[in-house]
Order: sequence, then C-alpha cells, then structure tokens
Amino acid sequence: SQTIHQWPATLVQPVGSPLSLECTVEGTSNPNLYWYRQAAGRGLQLLFYSVGIGQISSEVPQNLSASRPQDRQFILSSKKLLLSDSGFYLCAWTVGGPETQYFGPGTRLLVL
Amino acid sequence: GENVEQHPSTLSVQEGDSAVIKCTYSDSASNYFPWYKQELGKRPQLIIDIRSNVGEKKDQRIAVTLNKTAKHFSLHITETQPEDSAVYFCAASKNDYKLSFGAGTTVTVRA
Repeated sequence: SQTIHQWPATLVQPVGSPLSLECTVEGTSNPNLYWYRQAAGRGLQLLFYSVGIGQISSEVPQNLSASRPQDRQFILSSKKLLLSDSGFYLCAWTVGGPETQYFGPGTRLLVL
Repeated sequence: GENVEQHPSTLSVQEGDSAVIKCTYSDSASNYFPWYKQELGKRPQLIIDIRSNVGEKKDQRIAVTLNKTAKHFSLHITETQPEDSAVYFCAASKNDYKLSFGAGTTVTVRA
C-alpha cells in the first residue's frame, strides 16, 4: 500500500531564515505530487504541483520554490521566510488525473 | 480556471439530525468531485467522491448528489454524530491533474 511522509512535523523559524520541507511517497511510481498551504482556519491553497521529475508548476508567485529531485520526493524551499509563510503545509499525491489526492500528515510552520 | 463555491461556511446541527453542504462549480468540463473531512489539527481525508457519469452515490450515512446541468453537487450526512464534527471541503477537477477546493464548511454536531 502507498504511504506518504512529511518532515518535520512542526517547525518554528525566525523571519528571514531559510526553509526546507520534505515529502516522500512509498509504494507507487511516477506519482503526481502537490504542495498546499493552509493558513489557520482557512482553506487549501495549492502552491506547486509536479507530474514528473524536474517538472514543477507554480500556482502562486511568492518567495517559495519547489523541487523534485527523485520520482517520489518533493521538496518545498524558501531562502528567506516571511511572517505570512506561517501555516500548515500539506503534501499530497495521486496517480493520473483526475483522481483522488491523498494528503500527508503535514508540517506546521510558525514564523516569528 | 475552475471556481468552486461552498455553502454554508458554518453549520450547527443537533445530534441525530441531517447536515447538507452545497457546492457549485464554474467549469462544465469538470468531471470528478471529491469530498474531504478535516478534523482539528489533522490532514484532510477523502470521505466520498463522485464522477460526472453518476448522479448519486451513497456510503452508509454519507451521500453525494451531482447535478451536471446546474453545475452543483451536495454532501448529505444523515443521523449525525459528535464525531462528524469537522471541516468539510468539496473539490472539483477536470483532466488537468489539479483539484479546485471550496472554502470549507465547519460542521458542529451538538449533543
């Protein structure tokens, strides 16, 4: 069966510091991968998605970037965090489209 | 792009009563409509989905209906229980790898 991992689970970072969040999927090949952000009490904002290694589509222009160095690994990065980057970051995967997206456990980021 | 509107934003029901959440979508090419439940502090989890070739789907106390002509779909929860309290998100997708989510409905089941 498929499993999705995210780490770290929680993170507290100062404004202006860099960020690296990692997502990995097990038990499937060539998944579509997604990064979402959810601000407190709000909905799901799609940040990036990838349909293959090295293929990244950006949905929202901001100070974040994404990379997919391996088939089942998706990384979200920032060079300098802003206060507004605080939120719950969710990675999701699916195979093909349109199909159900399955979410990882999430990373809760607080920028101070 | 696709625009999904969800109503109501909050819903309070007495335990045992039914809850109904409605969503409308803008793109007639959308053909897949999942519903997710998100408990406090947890990840969203799929509870039911429907495709455009089906008008209704039921799974125990949960059902979803789809009206393609009107471009709206609804989630029905019957005999609500305290564990049904959560935020519910609808979504719509066509063949472009992405889901467009509604803003969410916070459901509170009063004991």
